[in-house]
Amino acid sequence: NAGVTQTPKFRILKIGQSMTLQCTQDMNHNYMYWYRQDPGMGLKLIYYSVGAGITDKGEVPNGYNVSRSTTEDFPLRLELAAPSQTSVYFCASSGAGLAGEIDTQYFGPGTRLTVL
Amino acid sequence: RKEVEQDPGPFNVPEGATVAFNCTYSNSASQSFFWYRQDCRKEPKLLMSVYSSGNEDGRFTAQLNRASQYISLLIRDSKLSDSATYLCVVNGGYSTLTFGKGTMLLVSP
Repeated sequence: NAGVTQTPKFRILKIGQSMTLQCTQDMNHNYMYWYRQDPGMGLKLIYYSVGAGITDKGEVPNGYNVSRSTTEDFPLRLELAAPSQTSVYFCASSGAGLAGEIDTQYFGPGTRLTVL
Repeated sequence: RKEVEQDPGPFNVPEGATVAFNCTYSNSASQSFFWYRQDCRKEPKLLMSVYSSGNEDGRFTAQLNRASQYISLLIRDSKLSDSATYLCVVNGGYSTLTFGKGTMLLVSP
Protein backbone atom coordinates (compact mmCIF):
# COMPACT_ATOMS: atom_id res chain seq x y z
CA ASN A 1 0.00 0.00 0.00
CA ALA A 2 1.84 3.09 -1.28
CA GLY A 3 -0.46 5.71 0.30
CA VAL A 4 0.13 9.13 -1.26
CA THR A 5 2.88 9.42 -3.85
CA GLN A 6 4.27 12.59 -5.42
CA THR A 7 6.54 13.20 -8.38
CA PRO A 8 9.03 14.69 -8.91
CA LYS A 9 10.86 14.88 -5.57
CA PHE A 10 12.98 17.84 -6.65
CA ARG A 11 12.74 20.32 -9.49
CA ILE A 12 14.46 23.54 -10.51
CA LEU A 13 12.53 25.84 -12.83
CA LYS A 14 13.45 29.03 -14.58
CA ILE A 15 11.20 32.07 -14.20
CA GLY A 16 8.29 31.81 -16.61
CA GLN A 17 8.46 28.04 -17.10
CA SER A 18 5.50 25.80 -16.33
CA MET A 19 5.27 22.38 -14.77
CA THR A 20 2.85 19.87 -13.30
CA LEU A 21 3.32 18.29 -9.90
CA GLN A 22 1.81 14.82 -9.82
CA CYS A 23 -0.06 13.32 -6.87
CA THR A 24 -1.65 9.89 -6.63
CA GLN A 25 -3.33 8.09 -3.74
CA ASP A 26 -4.37 4.46 -3.55
CA MET A 27 -6.61 4.64 -0.48
CA ASN A 28 -9.81 5.48 -2.39
CA HIS A 29 -10.07 8.79 -0.53
CA ASN A 30 -12.52 11.38 -1.76
CA TYR A 31 -10.70 14.36 -0.29
CA MET A 32 -7.38 15.54 -1.72
CA TYR A 33 -5.30 18.62 -0.99
CA TRP A 34 -2.31 20.64 -2.10
CA TYR A 35 -0.28 22.60 0.44
CA ARG A 36 2.87 24.63 0.22
CA GLN A 37 5.32 25.12 3.07
CA ASP A 38 7.94 27.82 2.97
CA PRO A 39 11.08 27.45 5.14
CA GLY A 40 10.28 27.84 8.83
CA MET A 41 6.61 28.43 8.11
CA GLY A 42 3.36 26.55 8.45
CA LEU A 43 1.33 24.76 5.79
CA LYS A 44 -0.78 26.89 3.47
CA LEU A 45 -3.65 25.32 1.53
CA ILE A 46 -3.50 25.98 -2.21
CA TYR A 47 -6.41 23.93 -3.61
CA TYR A 48 -8.50 21.01 -2.53
CA SER A 49 -10.98 18.56 -3.96
CA VAL A 50 -13.89 16.73 -2.33
CA GLY A 51 -14.27 14.26 -5.17
CA ALA A 52 -13.63 13.63 -8.84
CA GLY A 53 -14.65 16.63 -10.90
CA ILE A 54 -14.89 19.00 -7.91
CA THR A 55 -12.15 21.43 -6.88
CA ASP A 56 -12.04 24.54 -4.74
CA LYS A 57 -9.58 27.27 -3.85
CA GLY A 58 -7.69 27.33 -0.60
CA GLU A 59 -5.80 30.16 1.05
CA VAL A 60 -3.15 30.78 -1.65
CA PRO A 61 -4.46 29.67 -5.09
CA ASN A 62 -2.97 32.40 -7.28
CA GLY A 63 -0.49 31.09 -9.83
CA TYR A 64 -1.76 27.51 -9.62
CA ASN A 65 -4.38 25.32 -11.23
CA VAL A 66 -5.71 21.87 -10.44
CA SER A 67 -7.91 19.22 -11.96
CA ARG A 68 -9.45 16.04 -10.57
CA SER A 69 -10.56 13.69 -13.31
CA THR A 70 -10.19 10.53 -11.22
CA THR A 71 -10.43 9.67 -7.53
CA GLU A 72 -6.75 8.68 -7.47
CA ASP A 73 -5.02 11.64 -9.14
CA PHE A 74 -4.85 15.33 -8.26
CA PRO A 75 -2.18 17.15 -10.31
CA LEU A 76 -1.11 20.71 -9.52
CA ARG A 77 -0.16 22.94 -12.43
CA LEU A 78 2.19 25.91 -12.09
CA GLU A 79 1.90 28.41 -14.90
CA LEU A 80 4.59 31.07 -15.42
CA ALA A 81 6.74 30.11 -12.44
CA ALA A 82 7.94 32.93 -10.19
CA PRO A 83 10.62 32.96 -7.45
CA SER A 84 7.82 33.40 -4.88
CA GLN A 85 6.68 29.87 -5.74
CA THR A 86 9.92 28.39 -4.41
CA SER A 87 8.65 26.10 -1.69
CA VAL A 88 7.98 22.52 -0.64
CA TYR A 89 4.68 21.24 -2.00
CA PHE A 90 2.77 18.55 -0.15
CA CYS A 91 -0.16 16.60 -1.46
CA ALA A 92 -2.52 14.97 1.03
CA SER A 93 -5.63 12.85 1.01
CA SER A 94 -8.31 12.09 3.55
CA GLY A 95 -11.16 9.75 4.05
CA ALA A 96 -14.45 10.77 5.61
CA GLY A 97 -15.85 10.29 9.07
CA LEU A 98 -19.22 8.77 9.88
CA ALA A 99 -21.05 11.99 8.98
CA GLY A 100 -18.98 12.53 5.84
CA GLU A 101 -16.73 15.13 7.46
CA ILE A 102 -13.00 15.17 6.87
CA ASP A 103 -10.96 12.57 8.74
CA THR A 104 -7.21 12.10 9.20
CA GLN A 105 -5.06 13.50 6.39
CA TYR A 106 -2.22 11.46 4.94
CA PHE A 107 0.62 13.28 3.25
CA GLY A 108 2.91 12.50 0.37
CA PRO A 109 6.69 12.98 0.75
CA GLY A 110 6.66 16.39 -0.93
CA THR A 111 8.15 18.07 -3.98
CA ARG A 112 10.94 20.58 -3.41
CA LEU A 113 10.67 23.28 -6.05
CA THR A 114 13.14 26.07 -6.69
CA VAL A 115 12.41 28.84 -9.17
CA LEU A 116 15.43 30.78 -10.35
CA ARG B 1 -7.32 35.77 16.75
CA LYS B 2 -5.45 33.26 14.60
CA GLU B 3 -7.38 30.09 13.76
CA VAL B 4 -4.90 27.75 15.44
CA GLU B 5 -2.21 29.17 17.69
CA GLN B 6 0.81 27.42 19.11
CA ASP B 7 3.94 28.52 20.94
CA PRO B 8 6.67 28.06 18.31
CA GLY B 9 9.30 27.12 20.91
CA PRO B 10 11.82 25.66 20.74
CA PHE B 11 11.31 23.63 23.87
CA ASN B 12 14.70 22.30 24.95
CA VAL B 13 14.42 19.35 27.34
CA PRO B 14 16.76 16.59 28.53
CA GLU B 15 16.07 12.94 27.84
CA GLY B 16 13.55 11.51 30.29
CA ALA B 17 11.80 14.82 30.88
CA THR B 18 8.07 15.43 30.64
CA VAL B 19 7.00 18.22 28.33
CA ALA B 20 3.61 19.70 27.52
CA PHE B 21 2.40 21.72 24.55
CA ASN B 22 -0.80 23.71 24.33
CA CYS B 23 -2.74 24.94 21.35
CA THR B 24 -5.76 27.23 21.09
CA TYR B 25 -8.29 27.32 18.28
CA SER B 26 -10.83 29.95 17.28
CA ASN B 27 -13.61 27.96 15.57
CA SER B 28 -16.01 26.84 18.28
CA ALA B 29 -17.79 24.59 15.76
CA SER B 30 -14.68 22.44 15.18
CA GLN B 31 -15.27 18.75 15.74
CA SER B 32 -12.04 17.04 14.69
CA PHE B 33 -8.72 17.52 16.45
CA PHE B 34 -5.31 16.00 15.81
CA TRP B 35 -1.66 16.23 16.70
CA TYR B 36 0.77 15.71 13.83
CA ARG B 37 4.52 15.38 13.96
CA GLN B 38 6.83 16.83 11.32
CA ASP B 39 10.52 16.01 11.12
CA CYS B 40 12.85 18.44 9.40
CA ARG B 41 12.17 18.58 5.64
CA LYS B 42 9.72 15.69 5.86
CA GLU B 43 5.97 15.40 5.46
CA PRO B 44 3.66 15.76 8.48
CA LYS B 45 2.55 12.46 9.99
CA LEU B 46 -0.36 11.77 12.28
CA LEU B 47 0.72 11.38 15.89
CA MET B 48 -2.72 10.96 17.40
CA SER B 49 -6.30 12.07 17.17
CA VAL B 50 -7.71 13.98 20.12
CA TYR B 51 -11.00 12.88 21.63
CA SER B 52 -13.31 14.73 23.98
CA SER B 53 -12.59 12.35 26.83
CA GLY B 54 -8.84 12.61 26.35
CA ASN B 55 -6.71 9.78 25.08
CA GLU B 56 -3.35 8.21 25.63
CA ASP B 57 -0.97 6.37 23.33
CA GLY B 58 2.07 5.08 25.15
CA ARG B 59 4.07 8.07 26.36
CA PHE B 60 1.74 10.55 24.67
CA THR B 61 -1.45 11.98 26.19
CA ALA B 62 -3.80 14.38 24.43
CA GLN B 63 -6.52 16.44 26.10
CA LEU B 64 -9.29 18.60 24.67
CA ASN B 65 -11.01 21.44 26.49
CA ARG B 66 -13.94 22.58 24.35
CA ALA B 67 -15.09 25.29 26.76
CA SER B 68 -11.72 27.03 26.62
CA GLN B 69 -11.00 25.92 23.06
CA TYR B 70 -7.60 24.47 23.69
CA ILE B 71 -5.84 21.19 23.08
CA SER B 72 -2.82 19.84 24.89
CA LEU B 73 -0.18 17.22 24.24
CA LEU B 74 1.88 15.70 27.03
CA ILE B 75 5.01 13.70 26.29
CA ARG B 76 6.46 11.65 29.14
CA ASP B 77 9.97 10.17 29.36
CA SER B 78 11.19 12.14 26.31
CA LYS B 79 13.46 10.35 23.85
CA LEU B 80 16.01 11.83 21.48
CA SER B 81 13.80 10.58 18.66
CA ASP B 82 10.95 12.80 19.89
CA SER B 83 12.82 15.84 18.57
CA ALA B 84 10.53 17.26 15.90
CA THR B 85 7.92 19.92 15.28
CA TYR B 86 4.47 19.14 16.64
CA LEU B 87 1.50 20.50 14.71
CA CYS B 88 -1.88 21.14 16.27
CA VAL B 89 -4.64 20.49 13.73
CA VAL B 90 -8.33 21.37 13.82
CA ASN B 91 -10.99 20.96 11.18
CA GLY B 92 -11.48 24.41 9.67
CA GLY B 93 -14.65 23.46 7.86
CA TYR B 94 -16.46 20.36 6.70
CA SER B 95 -13.79 19.50 4.14
CA THR B 96 -10.57 21.11 5.33
CA LEU B 97 -8.15 21.00 8.23
CA THR B 98 -6.37 24.02 9.68
CA PHE B 99 -2.78 23.45 10.77
CA GLY B 100 -0.99 25.43 13.43
CA LYS B 101 2.53 26.57 12.64
CA GLY B 102 3.93 24.04 15.06
CA THR B 103 5.96 23.80 18.26
CA MET B 104 9.56 22.70 17.97
CA LEU B 105 10.85 20.18 20.50
CA LEU B 106 14.55 19.49 20.98
CA VAL B 107 15.49 16.62 23.27
CA SER B 108 19.13 16.54 24.34
CA PRO B 109 21.21 13.68 25.86
